[in-house]
Amino acid sequence: QSVLTQPPSASGTPGQRVTISCSGSSSNIGSNTVNWYQQLPGTAPKLLIYSNNQRPSGVPDRFSGSKSGTSASLAISGLQSEDEADYYCAAWDDSLNVLFGTGTKVTVL
Amino acid sequence: QLQLQESGPGLVKPSETLSLTCTVSGGSISSSSYYWGWIRQPPGKGLEWIGSIYYSGSTYYNPSLKSRVTISVDTSKNQFSLKLSSVTAADTAVYYCASQVGYCSGGSCYVSALFDPWGQGTLVTVSS
Repeated sequence: QSVLTQPPSASGTPGQRVTISCSGSSSNIGSNTVNWYQQLPGTAPKLLIYSNNQRPSGVPDRFSGSKSGTSASLAISGLQSEDEADYYCAAWDDSLNVLFGTGTKVTVL
Repeated sequence: QLQLQESGPGLVKPSETLSLTCTVSGGSISSSSYYWGWIRQPPGKGLEWIGSIYYSGSTYYNPSLKSRVTISVDTSKNQFSLKLSSVTAADTAVYYCASQVGYCSGGSCYVSALFDPWGQGTLVTVSS
């Protein structure tokens, strides 16, 4: 497996909860931690969640991460307009490779 | 505060070698806690890891690019560099450098998929 699988899009109205899934295998998500990145339009990706569920300083607590088996999820609760961005999961693969997810575009309706 | 900045030609001819440098400021590239990575993003597409290097020279490369990639480090200049040979239009992308959590100890190395921070990125177009 050369990528982690994410839904191409997700959407919600302001204040709603949106969840993004990231599916992998035993050699990546199943045995290593998952990190999430937010990429606002025209900018470089930014670390959003690390080690499955940890938020870096400055990241709002409406963002949360979880992992179970070979899948991980990113949840955005209380969706805001500034959350409109692309989101990527990433994990180390035991084949000595960094895998990124296929990316999910979040739209605030 | 760690900052990274990519530099290099924005246009490369097909079959030639793409060369980029990442300058690290606000910290030492010889830190024992970090690898230094290259990631690229073709226009309108997702992220692809290219490879990473430790200050000691330990490298990891994406298996799909390994035959064409060389990453090196210059600790005296606090820089690391990417060379990608035999480029085609498919190599057109925004290239990012980033600090990557990882370390080597006692002959073993650990690398993660935790990249923070990232440089702003530089667009490289492959065209004649």
